[in-house]
Amino acid sequence: SYVLTQPPSVSVAPGETATMTCGGKNIGSESVHWYQQKPGQAPVVVVFDNDDRPSGIPERFSGSISGSTATLTVSRVEAGDEGDYYCQLWDSRSDQVIFGGGTKLTVL
Amino acid sequence: QVQLVQSGPEVKTAGSSVRISCTASGAIYSTYALTWVRQAPGQGLEWIGRVRPVLKITNYAQKFQDRVTMTADRSTRTAYMELNSLRSDDTAVYYCARLLTVVPYYMDVWGKGTTVTVSS
Repeated sequence: SYVLTQPPSVSVAPGETATMTCGGKNIGSESVHWYQQKPGQAPVVVVFDNDDRPSGIPERFSGSISGSTATLTVSRVEAGDEGDYYCQLWDSRSDQVIFGGGTKLTVL
Repeated sequence: QVQLVQSGPEVKTAGSSVRISCTASGAIYSTYALTWVRQAPGQGLEWIGRVRPVLKITNYAQKFQDRVTMTADRSTRTAYMELNSLRSDDTAVYYCARLLTVVPYYMDVWGKGTTVTVSS
């Protein structure tokens, strides 16, 4: 089945830019979504359909996609952005939701 | 905005079954499914399957196909997930979420989760 690969961790200083990647075969032709999960809480979608933001999500969160990589960028990182970030897509070949393994964002 | 309210924590013994419910505060239209995702302690998100309440269609992750049953009652706006033959590695937080069933297929509303503990 389809596999999404994420780096286990990313660390960044406050005010800097965090870049988190999600790799998959021909992912550039897919619709990828990103979820933020803080400890003890349910996930929250921060970017959907590659680069759209739900209402209420700060403009600091942005998504892009090209070739074999989808990217979530968090600009002007704040301490409250710490958490785990998961990419996800719908695999139409198997009719299944696919999650990446998640990236832990640490704000130094 | 629709909210999803899940049933309370469960403690089960290995080999038994668990049934978790997820009730929506508003209508679930045909363009949505209710999907179940679990997260074992310290682990990532794992998709279990989905049920489309209006069309009564289900599909499950291959890993769970032999042990899971998902149903939905439109009149009460409640979805259920039953997992059988529980093992200790089924210990996890189980989330229900609303999944858009047309492009772009993402989960826009999540329940707070139900903790299931399986003891041997």
